[in-house]
Amino acid sequence: KQEVTQIPAALSVPEGENLVLNCSFTDSAIYNLQWFRQDPGKGLTSLLLIQSSQREQTSGRLNASLDKSSGRSTLYIAASQPGDSATYLCAVSSNNNDMRFGAGTRLTVKP
Amino acid sequence: ETGVTQSPTHLIKTRGQQVTLRCSSQSGHNTVSWYQQALGQGPQFIFQYYREEENGRGNFPPRFSGLQFPNYSSELNVNALELDDSALYLCASSRTNVETQYFGPGTRLLVL
Repeated sequence: KQEVTQIPAALSVPEGENLVLNCSFTDSAIYNLQWFRQDPGKGLTSLLLIQSSQREQTSGRLNASLDKSSGRSTLYIAASQPGDSATYLCAVSSNNNDMRFGAGTRLTVKP
Repeated sequence: ETGVTQSPTHLIKTRGQQVTLRCSSQSGHNTVSWYQQALGQGPQFIFQYYREEENGRGNFPPRFSGLQFPNYSSELNVNALELDDSALYLCASSRTNVETQYFGPGTRLLVL
């Protein structure tokens, strides 16, 4: 059974700092891995999707890496801004239809 | 292009009642997945519908059931509501069952 863990559970940084969020998963037989952002009480916004054959994806100030063999992914956020404050969720798809989520990292960026 | 929409936004029910939640998928998407997100937790997969057929199910009892219609919109039905069913219910649609899922804003259900 796939289990997804995110560390840390919460993170508070000053504006402008670069930061890394971590995600680990127990079964390396995945189709893809996604990083999502969730604002309080809202739905999820997909940030980056990494297919199992890829090592990383970049979008603006965000960079996500994937190391399938070690069961790890990182989300790097450059030059953080207060608007980046949200919960970041990592999710892996191990077959066609079952996406497993971590519990998320709650990020606060202080002005 | 219209995004994923869900209705209602909020709902209050009592134990034992039944509830129906609705989801309209994004244009051109034939796959809809439903998730339950308890407070402080990540979403948990309930089931997925692909071209009107159930295409996978998570660890949820049979009182959680669903439908997908010819226009690919979907319903989630929950019978015999329990207090632990209180959660944010999220619907996501995708072009196929292995592509990026786009999430709706969710329906917040409170069971008293």
